[in-house]
Amino acid sequence: SAVISQKPSRDICQRGTSLTIQCQVDSQVTMMFWYRQQPGQSLTLIATANQGSEATYESGFVIDKFPISRPNLTFSTLTVSNMSPEDSSIYLCSVRDRGDGYTFGSGTRLTVV
Amino acid sequence: DAKTTQPPSMDCAEGRAANLPCNHSTISGNEYVYWYRQIHSQGPQYIIHGLKNNETNEMASLIITEDRKSSTLILPHATLRDTAVYYCIVMIYNQGGKLIFGQGTELSVKP
Repeated sequence: SAVISQKPSRDICQRGTSLTIQCQVDSQVTMMFWYRQQPGQSLTLIATANQGSEATYESGFVIDKFPISRPNLTFSTLTVSNMSPEDSSIYLCSVRDRGDGYTFGSGTRLTVV
Repeated sequence: DAKTTQPPSMDCAEGRAANLPCNHSTISGNEYVYWYRQIHSQGPQYIIHGLKNNETNEMASLIITEDRKSSTLILPHATLRDTAVYYCIVMIYNQGGKLIFGQGTELSVKP
């Protein structure tokens, strides 16, 4: 299965600022996915990122707040913009493996103060 | 809208089988059922998946009802290390294969 390196692993940010999270995969993948996990909750899909096209956002998530880049088949970034304390969550990237399984990054634990 | 519903918590004795149920009554014909687990807010770990046939691997078995409206994940001999949150997930095949997570079942394996 794919190996994902996600950075940073955690950060504490001031409200009103932005944070960019990076996701590097050790193999080429078509689809990458970004999730949010609020404290004590399940994972919620933010968007699907296909290389060479704009990301597809789920209901309740907008590009201005969560811009995503997908410059090649092994890398993607998610930016959390104009942060507020309500954005404090774990953010995870995921890719679909060739065997129909999905691999997840270890997550970025974001605290907004 | 949630695609799956699961009990919020379950207990299981160590060495016994853990049977985790999931309802997915609105599942469509091309949507797969996946199970993942998450330990201490680490990244979710793949367990098993299926479409309509029962599946078994080295970790678990997946039993899907004939009408596909529900399934059961079976951990045949639960250990303390199986204590985790278990997610029943629907994979939307024709939307890029995105995963829609349920709320999860917190399984506690007790000595």
